[in-house]
Amino acid sequence: NAGVTQTPKFRILKIGQSMTLQCTQDMNHNYMYWYRQDPGMGLKLIYYSVGAGITDKGEVPNGYNVSRSTTEDFPLRLELAAPSQTSVYFCASSIRDRGYQPQHFGDGTRLSIL
Amino acid sequence: AQTVTQSQPEMSVQEAETVTLSCTYDTSESDYYLFWYKQPPSRQMILVIRQEAYKQQNATENRFSVNFQKAAKSFSLKISDSQLGDAAMYFCASQGGSEKLVFGKGTKLTVNP
Repeated sequence: NAGVTQTPKFRILKIGQSMTLQCTQDMNHNYMYWYRQDPGMGLKLIYYSVGAGITDKGEVPNGYNVSRSTTEDFPLRLELAAPSQTSVYFCASSIRDRGYQPQHFGDGTRLSIL
Repeated sequence: AQTVTQSQPEMSVQEAETVTLSCTYDTSESDYYLFWYKQPPSRQMILVIRQEAYKQQNATENRFSVNFQKAAKSFSLKISDSQLGDAAMYFCASQGGSEKLVFGKGTKLTVNP
């Protein structure tokens, strides 16, 4: 049972480059999320999705884009990478079943923009 | 808007002792859920415990229990018989009224042998 899988685990980008962080889950969860965690801080929500074809902004969406074409996949796109986007990125998924169920997290992607 | 506050940036405990981590929250929702997550050095986010606000009974999971004071909007985590493997960042989180989970800034717990 893989759960939530994120790739890559580490990446170094140059300023202005673009990349896509991949996230896939095999639990048939309808809700998926992207967070960033800056050093010494909690997680901040970037984007989330309540189902295929539906996405919405979180607290810190600027500089990012997402899509949700399938239940399983929720990629995060960084366009024109900036040093302020250096962070650890977490993908998570959950299901709404008799209330808010806990989110299951991937192992994170450490991204450095130089 | 929901907010979650963890007022203790760092805490330490002796192995086998008990420690309590504090968390306060603010929400206008009547139906909400509270969580404690553990993040060890491996960086994984691991669910410790979940509390449904409409339940008066405090949640427990083995050595982990909460003290949920709804009127005071307080949700503290008690770790009994602390073990070296409990050393981690602990995050309190709240969810209600939307699909968004709001995290506190975390408390770093050190367990001394």
